[in-house]
Amino acid sequence: GQNIDQPTEMTATEGAIVQINCTYQTSGFNGLFWYQQHAGEAPTFLSYNVLDGLEEKGRFSSFLSRSKGYSYLLLKELQMKDSASYLCAVMDSNYQLIWGAGTKLIIKP
Amino acid sequence: GAVVSQHPSRVICKSGTSVKIECRSLDFQATTMFWYRQFPKKSLMLMATSNEGSKATYEQGVEKDKFLINHASLTLSTLTVTSAHPEDSSFYICSARMIEGVARAPETQYFGPGTRLLVL
Repeated sequence: GQNIDQPTEMTATEGAIVQINCTYQTSGFNGLFWYQQHAGEAPTFLSYNVLDGLEEKGRFSSFLSRSKGYSYLLLKELQMKDSASYLCAVMDSNYQLIWGAGTKLIIKP
Repeated sequence: GAVVSQHPSRVICKSGTSVKIECRSLDFQATTMFWYRQFPKKSLMLMATSNEGSKATYEQGVEKDKFLINHASLTLSTLTVTSAHPEDSSFYICSARMIEGVARAPETQYFGPGTRLLVL
């Protein structure tokens, strides 16, 4: 079966760095996405990785290792507004998105 | 760019009535639109995939006669929850996939703001 695993909840301090991991087992791979979802709102696109390596975009970076079925989202200089759920999703061979359950990130002052 | 709107944002209805939710891509044409359902503190659950001009493809366990999907144009898809019951109360989210060649990243889906449905 297809499976996406990510931690349920993480806590970090304002100004610090946090890494949210995602491991996946899917039938085929056409890219991995990270989305941010604030409570009561729809997800917003953060990043897309299809090749191995690190993609940096401002305070957010996303890493992919296809051989390990592993990705992480790195958030630097954390701000209170970063408190949200972070969803990892993999596009399988049928171009269908398989979603993880999301990681709730709590930022403390 | 890449804005998707949903209407209404919130709806309360009586049990047994039908509710229609609209999903529009405002500044791009979408080959495919997706309808998701999300329960509190849970991830997105894909309900159906719709392509303009053809019948929607429903995921296993989703009743096609209860959740009617119409994809009338490249910018509009509607979801009608027929004879709604309290267990249909949920957060419904649509997303739209851009036509190839226009996307920020291939196959990226852009999400609407969601519709919160409460059936009394």
